[in-house]
Amino acid sequence: QVQLVQSGTEVKKPGASVKVSCKASGYTFTGYYMHWVRQAPGQGLEWMGWINPNSGGTSYAQKFQGRVTMTRDTSTSTAYLELSRLRSDDTAVYYCASIDNDSSIDFDYWGQGTLVSVSS
Amino acid sequence: DIQMTQSPSSLSASVGDTVTITCRASQGIRKDLGWYQQQPGKAPKRLIYGASTLQRGVPSRFSGSGAGTEFTLTISSLQPEDFATYYCLQQTGYPPWTFGQGTKVEIK
Repeated sequence: QVQLVQSGTEVKKPGASVKVSCKASGYTFTGYYMHWVRQAPGQGLEWMGWINPNSGGTSYAQKFQGRVTMTRDTSTSTAYLELSRLRSDDTAVYYCASIDNDSSIDFDYWGQGTLVSVSS
Repeated sequence: DIQMTQSPSSLSASVGDTVTITCRASQGIRKDLGWYQQQPGKAPKRLIYGASTLQRGVPSRFSGSGAGTEFTLTISSLQPEDFATYYCLQQTGYPPWTFGQGTKVEIK
């Protein structure tokens, strides 16, 4: 069965960087884009960007341009999200989600979420 | 960027009621829209894709409709497990993707 397993809770200080991992299993990792979505406490869902695991190509929401880097390791079927220059308002649960970019395709799987807490 | 305006932001309903949630896109997105349900502390779960196709395993009391700029999610005969927050997500080929603001469905 398809599984996305994310790394554990991170506690960081403002200005630091964080790298969250998402290990995929049960499907062809390079066959579907990996998206990253975050949710601040008590707030809605925010799409951050995607990576094409096959080519390594990325697309980021403008809000995160210059601070976010999405990468992947095809040998371990793992995707990574790195966010730099952390601020307190980056405190959120970060989700990876493998979703077919063709909206007519039934492929949509999410990780369990990783809490990133930013505090001095 | 395409903006998604979701309404209402919250609603109260009783078990057995029919509820409707709407998402309006700032420009046409064909049928590139999904609907998600999120329970507290859990990852979102997709209910509908392609605006109107039911995800496998999702009860048939959930239905979606619309195309272009106006979309609706209807939950018929609301069940206790349906009290949750619902989001639309526009998935046009040209990024960024954007979520609606969410609708919290609460028990009356």
